[in-house]
Amino acid sequence: DAGVIQSPRHEVTEMGQEVTLRCKPISGHNSLFWYRQTMMRGLELLIYFNNNVPIDDSGMPEDRFSAKMPNASFSTLKIQPSEPRDSAVYFCASSFGLAPDTQYFGPGTRLTVL
Amino acid sequence: AQSVTQPDIHITVSEGASLELRCNYSYGATPYLFWYVQSPGQGLQLLLKYFSGDTLVQGIKGFEAEFKRSQSSFNLRKPSVHWSDAAEYFCAVGEDYGGSQGNLIFGKGTKLSVKP
Repeated sequence: DAGVIQSPRHEVTEMGQEVTLRCKPISGHNSLFWYRQTMMRGLELLIYFNNNVPIDDSGMPEDRFSAKMPNASFSTLKIQPSEPRDSAVYFCASSFGLAPDTQYFGPGTRLTVL
Repeated sequence: AQSVTQPDIHITVSEGASLELRCNYSYGATPYLFWYVQSPGQGLQLLLKYFSGDTLVQGIKGFEAEFKRSQSSFNLRKPSVHWSDAAEYFCAVGEDYGGSQGNLIFGKGTKLSVKP
């Protein structure tokens, strides 16, 4: 079975450009999570959806970041405008169930903002 | 608020030696506890989880963990480490939003190096 799919795997862009990261969760999962991982700050939760509805976006750094989940099989994380400090690995994860359960992680998108 | 502490940032062990990675959590009720492993350039993979029942849980790759409520700990162990175990290990605790899907709180991670 396909796991969580993220695209692109690598993204290099220049400061000020718009960046869109994409995620396809595992079919049947009802929760989706976006994380950011850096050496300095470790793994940070950015936003969390349940049944396509944002539940907690308190981790979104600022208004430059936005996330959507238009349907159960697709989510995007957008950064506009991007800044060098946004350089990180961004992970998407999905899970299923009515209680905290295993999150299945995608391979991540390595973003470099020059 | 719930939290997870992994006191060791980096541990080095010799191949074939035993391993214990520490994890302490802060949570009011019975927690949902997880250990994940991340190899370089990869996403996180679940090693094992504890929800209830037997406090000693077995996972993949020969790992086990023991839930100790009195110590608020969920330490990860392996009796004999292999060079392929070199990776970063994350402990996590689950939040329960009263029956709806909850989030996981991750520790900062422990990087494991294995000496030949």
